[in-house]
Amino acid sequence: ETGVTQSPTHLIKTRGQQVTLRCSSQSGHNTVSWYQQALGQGPQFIFQYYREEENGRGNFPPRFSGLQFPNYSSELNVNALELDDSALYLCASSAGSREGDTQYFGPGTRLTVL
Amino acid sequence: AQTVTQSQPEMSVQEAETVTLSCTYDTSESDYYLFWYKQPPSRQMILVIRQEAYKQQNATENRFSVNFQKAAKSFSLKISDSQLGDAAMYFCAYALAQGGSEKLVFGKGTKLTVNP
Repeated sequence: ETGVTQSPTHLIKTRGQQVTLRCSSQSGHNTVSWYQQALGQGPQFIFQYYREEENGRGNFPPRFSGLQFPNYSSELNVNALELDDSALYLCASSAGSREGDTQYFGPGTRLTVL
Repeated sequence: AQTVTQSQPEMSVQEAETVTLSCTYDTSESDYYLFWYKQPPSRQMILVIRQEAYKQQNATENRFSVNFQKAAKSFSLKISDSQLGDAAMYFCAYALAQGGSEKLVFGKGTKLTVNP
């Protein structure tokens, strides 16, 4: 069984640029959640996709957007990058079949905005 | 809004000893889930243990156990027989029961050091 994978591992961008981060969910999982983890902080929920539809969003501006594909993999897009967007971006997948489903995390993408 | 507080930014323990990490949370809901995740330097979040709020019995996973006090909104993690590999950031997390696909609210974490 393949776990959650994310690409790229590291990324350096400059302010104002756009970035796309990718996530492949664990086999059999139809739900993907994205989290932002600033240095020294706990992860914060960005949004979640369930069967290709957005299923909840945290307190993040519209320049954070996402997609989920028919194979349940997902993308996180961030436009007009700001310095404060520098963080570890974590993707988590779950089966979405019952309450309290465990979310399984990928290794994250470290984004640095200069 | 739900919040999770971890009051111990750092903790240390001697190998083979026992350590307890604290977590409190604030919610007006009665049906929810609580989790402890471990994040080693490799960055990948690993589930340590989960607790359903409707269950009175404290969850246990091998050397890891919790003390869940629903009325006090407290959810501490006890690690017995600590091992060097237990060294990591530990995050407490809350999820409101929503019929599937819950969103996690995390605390700021506790850095655990295990001394040989």
